[in-house]
Amino acid sequence: DAGVTQSPTHLIKTRGQQVTLRCSPKSGHDTVSWYQQALGQGPQFIFQYYEEEERQRGNFPDRFSGHQFPNYSSELNVNALLLGDSALYLCASSRTGFAGEQFFGPGTRLTVL
Amino acid sequence: QKEVEQNSGPLSVPEGAIASLNCTYSDRVSQSFFWYRQYSGKSPELIMSIYSNGDKEDGRFTAQLNKASQYVSLLIRDSQPSDSATYLCAVSSGTYKYIFGTGTRLKVLA
Repeated sequence: DAGVTQSPTHLIKTRGQQVTLRCSPKSGHDTVSWYQQALGQGPQFIFQYYEEEERQRGNFPDRFSGHQFPNYSSELNVNALLLGDSALYLCASSRTGFAGEQFFGPGTRLTVL
Repeated sequence: QKEVEQNSGPLSVPEGAIASLNCTYSDRVSQSFFWYRQYSGKSPELIMSIYSNGDKEDGRFTAQLNKASQYVSLLIRDSQPSDSATYLCAVSSGTYKYIFGTGTRLKVLA
């Protein structure tokens, strides 16, 4: 039973560039949430996707956008990268109606120079 | 006031002792509570979930919830050096948004 997978593992970009991160949920899960985790901090909720729609969003600017595909996989896009966007980006999947337990992927470490 | 508060630690306990990790939250309508373990350089791993007042036990782990005091805790019995990690408390208020604390760093001394 494959867990949550994310790609790429590491990424280095320069300010102003755009980046796309990818996530495949755990088998049987239909909901994907994205988080940003800065060093020494807890994960910060970016948004959640269900049935290919964004159904909840945290306090992140519109530069952060996402998409969910019919197979439940998801992408996180960040435009006009800033130095402060450097962080670990985590994808978590869950099963609707299953008490909200979320399972995290290994994360993508983004460095913006 | 932060929405979910945890003591950053480090909390140091000797091997075999009970480690007690605490978390308070500000939203009274919070409904779901989770504890995650995060090793350095890795992603969070779900340890426990708890939804109603009282204790919930799973192996060496016990989660305790007191909604009146807006307090949730995690006890780790017979602590092992492999339990050394950062423990994250997460709270959901029934929306789809999950709020995490900054985590408590636990060190189990051999």
